[in-house]
Amino acid sequence: SQQGEEDPQALSIQEGENATMNCSYKTSINNLQWYRQNSGRGLVHLILIRSNEREKHSGRLRVTLDTSKKSSSLLITASRAADTASYFCATDEDTGNQFYFGTGTSLTVIP
Amino acid sequence: EAQVTQNPRYLITVTGKKLTVTCSQNMNHEYMSWYRQDPGLGLRQIYYSMNVEVTDKGDVPEGYKVSRKEKRNFPLILESPSPNQTSLYFCASRGSGNTIYFGEGSWLTVV
Repeated sequence: SQQGEEDPQALSIQEGENATMNCSYKTSINNLQWYRQNSGRGLVHLILIRSNEREKHSGRLRVTLDTSKKSSSLLITASRAADTASYFCATDEDTGNQFYFGTGTSLTVIP
Repeated sequence: EAQVTQNPRYLITVTGKKLTVTCSQNMNHEYMSWYRQDPGLGLRQIYYSMNVEVTDKGDVPEGYKVSRKEKRNFPLILESPSPNQTSLYFCASRGSGNTIYFGEGSWLTVV
């Protein structure tokens, strides 16, 4: 299975601090995406980075991709209590037909 | 409003009683899929559909059926549910740029 793994499984930080979570995957990909899930709700798309990109920014989010190490990181700067959620990385295989999600990082931002 | 709608949101059923979880999207997306989410296992793809009348197995298709008779609908059928199918289920569709749009989830308990 291509399923990715996020690290750490859980992260607790103070409001205003930066949060970094990592994702590793197993095979070659077209794209890597990050999603956010509030408890028991549907996942919401945050950002997509293509396999030929190394870094991407969107607001307070910064994503890096290292295809040689098959890993990605998501940085959330100046965290807020509202950022408390689970974060998942998702990759798609070469055909783009199937998507593989990691097991998620649970982020708690303490006010 | 662009959305993926799935019903029911919550269901308790008994082993062996056939059930259908409906899914509908209003974004004219060709690609739709079903996932199940279990603690510690992340999201796993059950089935996906590239277009009308085209469906393919994901990673965990056993015990499930799907159909895609219309572009907007992609129901998930459990012919004979068993307790190991107790899970949180998500329907999703894929838009331009590979962004995946998720429904709000269906909590299914099989007793």
